[in-house]
Amino acid sequence: DGGITQSPKYLFRKEGQNVTLSCEQNLNHDAMYWYRQDPGQGLRLIYYSQIVNDFQKGDIAEGYSVSREKKESFPLTVTSAQKNPTAFYLCASSLGRGQINEQFFGPGTRLTVL
Amino acid sequence: SQQGEEDPQALSIQEGENATMNCSYKTSINNLQWYRQNSGRGLVHLILIRSNEREKHSGRLRVTLDTSKKSSSLLITASRAADTASYFCATAIMEYGNKLVFGAGTILRVKS
Repeated sequence: DGGITQSPKYLFRKEGQNVTLSCEQNLNHDAMYWYRQDPGQGLRLIYYSQIVNDFQKGDIAEGYSVSREKKESFPLTVTSAQKNPTAFYLCASSLGRGQINEQFFGPGTRLTVL
Repeated sequence: SQQGEEDPQALSIQEGENATMNCSYKTSINNLQWYRQNSGRGLVHLILIRSNEREKHSGRLRVTLDTSKKSSSLLITASRAADTASYFCATAIMEYGNKLVFGAGTILRVKS
């Protein structure tokens, strides 16, 4: 059953804590993305990776970090430097390989800062 | 900065009616994509139209693209209550790298 998974579905963080959101795909896609969605708004790109061991900042990378050690996995860490982290986080993947293809999305993680 | 902007922000129609959503963008694109999002869920890809295409169909969906006006429209015919969702356009611009830029979306409510 191919797809993209995110965990956890809900996450609560105390101020000053780092938290890591998981994203895994078994679609054999080269490209993976992290987006942030705030209520009533569209998606804003945080980081993206087009190949293993390489990633680029998106439009709102400050306060976030990522790694891409395996093709299947692209975890996102929300650091204490992110001043307003409460949001819905979406991970996506696409075939990549120089083409701007359709993206496949995970179910999302809702992060709340207490 | 936001490349695609949808219009209207919200749309409420009766079941069986057609729904039309529009998307405008600012710079030349490689392709334009439409996505759907049910409340609290991930996005689902609906349709992709390339810059050299003018119209594309998929089931009850019809997408048009006018590159001279830098605009696209999504038509959902014979709407159903299950079509209630947010709809986003996303533009693919080669100069931006292998990534999409999403608009703020149109919230569609189909009343039964």
